[in-house]
Amino acid sequence: GAVVSQHPSRVICKSGTSVKIECRSLDFQATTMFWYRQFPKQSLMLMATSNEGSKATYEQGVEKDKFLINHASLTLSTLTVTSAHPEDSSFYICSARTQGSNYEQYFGPGTRLTVT
Amino acid sequence: GQSLEQPSEVTAVEGAIVQINCTYQTSGFYGLSWYQQHDGGAPTFLSYNALDGLEETGRFSSFLSRSDSYGYLLLQELQMKDSASYFCAVRDGYKLIFGSGTRLLVRP
Repeated sequence: GAVVSQHPSRVICKSGTSVKIECRSLDFQATTMFWYRQFPKQSLMLMATSNEGSKATYEQGVEKDKFLINHASLTLSTLTVTSAHPEDSSFYICSARTQGSNYEQYFGPGTRLTVT
Repeated sequence: GQSLEQPSEVTAVEGAIVQINCTYQTSGFYGLSWYQQHDGGAPTFLSYNALDGLEETGRFSSFLSRSDSYGYLLLQELQMKDSASYFCAVRDGYKLIFGSGTRLLVRP
């Protein structure tokens, strides 16, 4: 149980274009989903927290107009990187938690974004 | 500010015991978690300490001292597959704040 999937696993896009990453909880309802970014050999940095049906809460320094997050259902959250630039190239990981859980987060397998 | 400090790299031999330390300074604290991450993979949960003391889960144990803002992960009977990065993470409400990570290399 508690499986989180992400799609795509890898994506290459050209500078200036937008790319959407999906995060799905496969066998549970995720009341809260989290989006992280990880640069090579570095830590996971929380970008934003999203609750189903409400606006995402972004961490300080994360541009909400650039990283659009939608959490329209209890099993799906999307992250759209708008007007991507090479410096946005990174590993994007989502996680999800269920209401009433002991704060445990279940992580997706990550999406490797390369902007050329 | 928020900071979690871990050693950047640790090397140990197969079958040995290794301890990875974590000191933290955060505005909120609900507990300390540990995650394992292999290259290119997702973090996988190892353990969680909300209270002071030692938690044991198979070959892995984790310790927390809230008064010292300190914890450690102890890995016993090291196996080659344990070579990975290990992150401590402070739980602040529902959020996780990750440490810088420790790369563990297990040698034959």
